[in-house]
Amino acid sequence: QKEVEQDPGPLSVPEGAIVSLNCTYSNSAFQYFMWYRQYSRKGPELLMYTYSSGNKEDGRFTAQVDKSSKYISLFIRDSQPSDSATYLCAMMTGNQFYFGTGTSLTVIP
Amino acid sequence: GAGVSQSPRYKVAKRGQDVALRCDPISGHVSLFWYQQALGQGPEFLTYFQNEAQLDKSGLPSDRFFAERPEGSVSTLKIQRTQQEDSAVYLCASSLGLSGNYGYTFGSGTRLTVV
Repeated sequence: QKEVEQDPGPLSVPEGAIVSLNCTYSNSAFQYFMWYRQYSRKGPELLMYTYSSGNKEDGRFTAQVDKSSKYISLFIRDSQPSDSATYLCAMMTGNQFYFGTGTSLTVIP
Repeated sequence: GAGVSQSPRYKVAKRGQDVALRCDPISGHVSLFWYQQALGQGPEFLTYFQNEAQLDKSGLPSDRFFAERPEGSVSTLKIQRTQQEDSAVYLCASSLGLSGNYGYTFGSGTRLTVV
């Protein structure tokens, strides 16, 4: 079993839809939780970062962490075609990040 | 520079050839990480530097992989006697903090294809 599980998709939604992306994990030592966005042929770009259970909002993006269930989510409101990318969840303990496989999202105009 | 710069962007190597991949982190960033990303997968940790010290190399897949950061800025990942399974995107990331818990800034990667 991988440390971090993420449904690879692909996920296709119409413009304006609310998108929900999820990851589960098995290691209770993970302290920091992140979401990265990766466009084709680019490196991952940090979207959201949190270290506690609960919600964190930044514009159209909301990150949710439930440590008791070992489950994290990223919600995208009013999705735009420019949001089309691969979304990677990442978790950290010590000096190492553990990434999910990424979910490919396409927002159709 | 403004971001993490990696070179070359693309590298095609014949099996058995040695390659060197370069990473220029953001100026002043203490932490530097190398990751390997296979097609359709998330990045996998290779190694971590704090300034010039390589504090963790547990992710390097074999002794053919070697990384250095002699002056605490530019880093080079060297792969000796490349094999087809080494084909991947190699990502470098840097962080201002000591343990990367501020989140990393990634470069665009070097896409290595071993033929």
